Amino acid sequence: DTEVTQTPKHLVMGMTNKKSLKCEQHMGHRAMYWYKQKAKKPPELMFVYSYEKLSINESVPSRFSPECPNSSLLNLHLHALQPEDSALYLCASSQDPGGAQNIQYFGAGTRLSVL
Amino acid sequence: ELKVEQNPLFLSMQEGKNYTIYCNYSTTSDRLYWYRQDPGKSLESLFVLLSNGAVKQEGRLMASLDTKARLSTLHITAAVHDLSATYFCAVLHSGGGADGLTFGKGTHLIIQP
Repeated sequence: DTEVTQTPKHLVMGMTNKKSLKCEQHMGHRAMYWYKQKAKKPPELMFVYSYEKLSINESVPSRFSPECPNSSLLNLHLHALQPEDSALYLCASSQDPGGAQNIQYFGAGTRLSVL
Repeated sequence: ELKVEQNPLFLSMQEGKNYTIYCNYSTTSDRLYWYRQDPGKSLESLFVLLSNGAVKQEGRLMASLDTKARLSTLHITAAVHDLSATYFCAVLHSGGGADGLTFGKGTHLIIQP
């Protein structure tokens, strides 16, 4: 089982709203990731959590706030977003951050539209 | 800064033909990944290549890695329509640990009957 579950699948929000994206995995993976993918573009890394600690923040604006409450759960809190933030937000997890293969398994994504 | 370049970016081919997608990367890395993405869907892991000379095959797809040339190839043999998708290669930001992936721009592959 290599399932990473993301909710919601679709989200429409206004620029003044606050919303959260959720990602869950029950594979015992110890690293979790957020990527942003614009249409017809490759995914771009936003954040990396390793053993529930934030290890990489790719200079993401503060209107995006990640949270890792436990080893199975990753949230992305959204506040005061801009229309250009509309994209597919992908969560991924990998088993052992220092392991040989470190394959990242991706969820189905949340398609976000900011109006 | 790590850069990953794929070519071609778009490929239309007929069923039964063979073709190769190329992936070049700019800095040393010992892990190279290939992913597939169908329209509106997430990314599916195809291969991870860990060492120089590594070759992996799954069905009609075969991937190889030349770390000295910083080049990976994804070869498609006797293409079938079901292989139509966008294929990404990706490289870890550094040699290990919980690092993110840097993706190439992707190759949009259309296989016509």
